[in-house]
Amino acid sequence: DAMVIQNPRYQVTQFGKPVTLSCSQTLNHNVMYWYQQKSSQAPKLLFHYYDKDFNNEADTPDNFQSRRPNTSFCFLDIRSPGLGDAAMYLCATSRVAGQGADEQYFGPGTRLTVT
Amino acid sequence: GQNIDQPTEMTATEGAIVQINCTYQTSGFNGLFWYQQHAGEAPTFLSYNVLDGLEEKGRFSSFLSRSKGYSYLLLKELQMKDSASYLCAFMDSNYQLIWGAGTKLIIKP
Repeated sequence: DAMVIQNPRYQVTQFGKPVTLSCSQTLNHNVMYWYQQKSSQAPKLLFHYYDKDFNNEADTPDNFQSRRPNTSFCFLDIRSPGLGDAAMYLCATSRVAGQGADEQYFGPGTRLTVT
Repeated sequence: GQNIDQPTEMTATEGAIVQINCTYQTSGFNGLFWYQQHAGEAPTFLSYNVLDGLEEKGRFSSFLSRSKGYSYLLLKELQMKDSASYLCAFMDSNYQLIWGAGTKLIIKP
């Protein structure tokens, strides 16, 4: 049973053409995360939501935005993708934040190619 | 400041034992996680340590020493399917995960 779903799994976009990646979860978790991961690098946290509270990491470029219209869905918008934005984008969820550690459940990721 | 370090790559033989080390520095600590990530796939949770000592889970064990800022993941009876990257990550005082870049483990027959 899929718990964290990401669509599409592979996305190709042109330089400068806006793209939206989507994530949904069936776990009813409070917290949702967006990570960017490049080859052989650590996942880099872009945003996280605690319920609808939006938290933007200080070094996340303005080119990236996010929306969480409800508990189940979260979107990552890249307004003007550059070649450097080609990466795997991972969505993750966890039950709570700030009340002790809780494991994060990851979706399968969306691999973004920018041409 | 915060940092976390683990070896880039390790090689081991099928059936053997391998230990993957992770060192970290942070002023606030809320536990250390190990995740497994196969190539092109998402990370999957392996273990969590918040107190010093060894946690055993089947063929995998994880150890933590908070005073030394040190953890290791021990994999026994290695199987070819264990070829993957292993990422350690600690949770800081803001309950954010700080990730290592991962150790690519290559298993040879």
